[in-house]
Amino acid sequence: DADVTQTPRNRITKTGKRIMLECSQTKGHDRMYWYRQDPGLGLRLIYYSFDVKDINKGEISDGYSVSRQAQAKFSLSLESAIPNQTALYFCATSDYGFTDTQYFGPGTRLTVL
Amino acid sequence: QKEVEQNSGPLSVPEGAIASLNCTYSDRGSQSFFWYRQYSGKSPELIMSIYSNGDKEDGRFTAQLNKASQYVSLLIRDSQPSDSATYLCAVINAGNNRKLIWGLGTSLAVNP
Repeated sequence: DADVTQTPRNRITKTGKRIMLECSQTKGHDRMYWYRQDPGLGLRLIYYSFDVKDINKGEISDGYSVSRQAQAKFSLSLESAIPNQTALYFCATSDYGFTDTQYFGPGTRLTVL
Repeated sequence: QKEVEQNSGPLSVPEGAIASLNCTYSDRGSQSFFWYRQYSGKSPELIMSIYSNGDKEDGRFTAQLNKASQYVSLLIRDSQPSDSATYLCAVINAGNNRKLIWGLGTSLAVNP
């Protein structure tokens, strides 16, 4: 089984709809991240969480919210989706320490019409 | 100036050749350095990590770090068509909440 899973893998929705993307991990890591990736813009950090009670905004948090339900679960919500949120979304996890290596889920391809 | 810079490519090499990918970073306090490989539409996967000056080898891959010159490189020996992908460089510094700072990636094409 994959260590980091994301659901759904693909989603097509309409402008104004609320969307939730879910991430679960079995790696036992405390830190979890949400990124979006757009062609030519690279990976951009949306939100990150260092533990269940610690949530931080990344560089592009506007229009997004998150919930850390447990150490293993971190959800990303788009309260009112808009077309420019069409992108590939990745969840990642890392353990705390000098290495801080991040491990990625398979991604969710989101299309907002 | 971007914090982590990579040549976008595409870098094209023949099968069996050595591919050399380079990355420069701006923060002298950077401590941890990573190379990820990403196939189109897939998630990034870790290839190499390096933390101290010098070379680190893992199979056909060698990472090279030079903190004085603020660059990190990845060499791929005996390149295979399956190595064709985008290679992302990422850097962590001690401040900035230890977030990864990502380059935009270099596209590599290995031609049979």
